[in-house]
Amino acid sequence: GENVEQHPSTLSVQEGDSAVIKCTYSDSASNYFPWYKQELGKRPQLIIDIRSNVGEKKDQRIAVTLNKTAKHFSLHITETQPEDSAVYFCAAQNNNDMRFGAGTRLTVKP
Amino acid sequence: DTEVTQTPKHLVMGMTNKKSLKCEQHMGHRAMYWYKQKAKKPPELMFVYSYEKLSINESVPSRFSPECPNSSLLNLHLHALQPEDSALYLCASSQGFSSSSPLHFGNGTRLTVT
Repeated sequence: GENVEQHPSTLSVQEGDSAVIKCTYSDSASNYFPWYKQELGKRPQLIIDIRSNVGEKKDQRIAVTLNKTAKHFSLHITETQPEDSAVYFCAAQNNNDMRFGAGTRLTVKP
Repeated sequence: DTEVTQTPKHLVMGMTNKKSLKCEQHMGHRAMYWYKQKAKKPPELMFVYSYEKLSINESVPSRFSPECPNSSLLNLHLHALQPEDSALYLCASSQGFSSSSPLHFGNGTRLTVT
């Protein structure tokens, strides 16, 4: 089955700086890569996703890149704000099988 | 607001009890999921129903029994649980028509086994 690795496990940045979270996956059949943000005590919420036929996608301050050959994908957050503080999970999907990385706890210091 | 509704929000049960978790969605999604999430850990896949048929069972102990009565409803029946089963149980749904559709999560049921 799919195995998703995520780094770093914790990330602390100053407000206004950029944050980058990286993931790798093992199953070359995976073709959909979403990112979820989970605040304390709440459900995971989709923030951005990318499909395997696309190399990069951007939505305001958030961007995701995908390297299918290397089986890497990354989340980039620019101009970070305190409200970006949360746990971020990457995931990889093949058919209806969605597996999550271990998560990154992002702290944005004001 | 969430389009996936889970009940109850909290549940405390003893090890000899039988209880059920319920999940409902009205988005026309045809895939429904149960995930288990322990504190400071990612959601861990338990079961997937696709078109009301069980398509993935991640070797979950038989004390957890899923049921999908129709395309909008998903249940998780609990019996003889252990304290280590205490966790947040998340239900999710996706379109199910293709392999690239996001999961929509409910708010979860926080289960405590005493």
